[in-house]
Amino acid sequence: AQSVTQLDSHVSVSEGTPVLLRCNYSSSYSPSLFWYVQHPNKGLQLLLKYTSAATLVKGINGFEAEFKKSETSFHLTKPSAHMSDAAEYFCVAQNGNKLVFGAGTILRVKS
Amino acid sequence: DAGITQSPRHKVTETGTPVTLRCHQTENHRYMYWYRQDPGHGLRLIHYSYGVKDTDKGEVSDGYSVSRSKTEDFLLTLESATSSQTSVYFCAISATGGDNEQFFGPGTRLTVL
Repeated sequence: AQSVTQLDSHVSVSEGTPVLLRCNYSSSYSPSLFWYVQHPNKGLQLLLKYTSAATLVKGINGFEAEFKKSETSFHLTKPSAHMSDAAEYFCVAQNGNKLVFGAGTILRVKS
Repeated sequence: DAGITQSPRHKVTETGTPVTLRCHQTENHRYMYWYRQDPGHGLRLIHYSYGVKDTDKGEVSDGYSVSRSKTEDFLLTLESATSSQTSVYFCAISATGGDNEQFFGPGTRLTVL
């Protein structure tokens, strides 16, 4: 069965510093993987998607993620945090026609 | 933004009463999904639909039923609401399922007293 583990429930960074949100997946094959973002009191928006093409995936708003099969990881990074990046981030794996969500990581950005 | 609306956006109800949440889309997407979001659990799939009158269960389907009589509408019913069903409910749509992007509605906050 597919499962997704987000290693940090909360991450706090200062504005202008790098962001790293960690995600590990569990699967016997290489699934399609996603990162979604949810701003307060909003729905979810797709940041980026990995589907077995390039292992480094670029998304919106300067975010990118690297798929590492040997580590079963799909960590999300951004070189320089902005105040508007404060939100909850979900790592998601495909399971047939369904998606399996991680528990989420709340990113706080300090000025 | 994808054309997805949810109604109502907020609802407070009492234990034991029936509740129906509606998801409406204008994108003509085949797949529609209902999730619930609870702190520490991310989003969990309740039911999904892969066409008119075609539905399947997700991981937390107990206590919920769904119906899809038209492409654009997907209804989620709590036959007899319980306090454990207090949550935020999200509808999502997808053109083809699989690894296709899902687009999410704004959510419905349901409180069961």
